[in-house]
Amino acid sequence: QQQVKQSPQSLIVQKGGISIINCAYENTAFDYFPWYQQFPGKGPALLIAIRPDVSEKKEGRFTISFNKSAKQFSLHIMDSQPGDSATYFCAAGSYSGAGSYQLTFGKGTKLSVIP
Amino acid sequence: DGGITQSPKYLFRKEGQNVTLSCEQNLNHDAMYWYRQDPGQGLRLIYYSQIVNDFQKGDIAEGYSVSREKKESFPLTVTSAQKNPTAFYLCASSVAGTVHADTQYFGPGTRLTVL
Repeated sequence: QQQVKQSPQSLIVQKGGISIINCAYENTAFDYFPWYQQFPGKGPALLIAIRPDVSEKKEGRFTISFNKSAKQFSLHIMDSQPGDSATYFCAAGSYSGAGSYQLTFGKGTKLSVIP
Repeated sequence: DGGITQSPKYLFRKEGQNVTLSCEQNLNHDAMYWYRQDPGQGLRLIYYSQIVNDFQKGDIAEGYSVSREKKESFPLTVTSAQKNPTAFYLCASSVAGTVHADTQYFGPGTRLTVL
C-alpha cells in the first residue's frame, strides 16, 4: 500500500517557467512534510519542509502549499533554472517514539528544465 | 567537516555472498537510518536505530541485518537471503528528542551490484 502518492513521474519545464509537483497522503498521523532534491549518483538533500499548522511556506524560489483537509501538498519552483534539473521526492513523517521521525517517501519526479 | 560518509561508493558482489556497507556520521546524531532506492521506486526504509545497541525493522528488512555498537556508526549487511540486492543504498541520520528530530540528512550512497 503506497501511503504517499507523487505526480507526475517526469516533468519538462522551460527555463523561467513554474514547476509544480504534487503529493497526496492517506495516514492522518503524518505531521511533517519535507521535499528532497536528488542529483544523479548523489544522496537526497532537504530542500524545504512544512508542518500541517501552516498552509504555505516559501524559501527563495521554492514554495510548499499544504491542504490538510484534502491531504495534499505540492512543491512549486518559480523561475525554474537548468540547475534545478534533478529528481524531487516528497515525504511524509510521523513520530516513531524515542524522539525521532520515520519518513515515507513518494516515488519521485524527474524534473528537466530546458533552456 | 561534518557529515555522513558511506563506503564504498561502488560495490560488486557475487551471488551467495554477504556484504557489509559502511555508514559513519560525525554530526552527533542519535538516530540513523538505512534506505534502499530502486529506479522509479522512491526510498524504502530497511532499518533504523534511535539509540546505541537498539534498532528496529523498517518496511523491507528481510535479507538485511544491522548493528549499532557506536553512536557514529551504523553498518548494513546485505545477506545472501536478500533475493534482489542490486540497488542504491542510502544512509541517513537525525537528531532525536528535539524540535529538529524530523530532519534527516543523507549520505552520498553506495551502489551495490550483484554479478
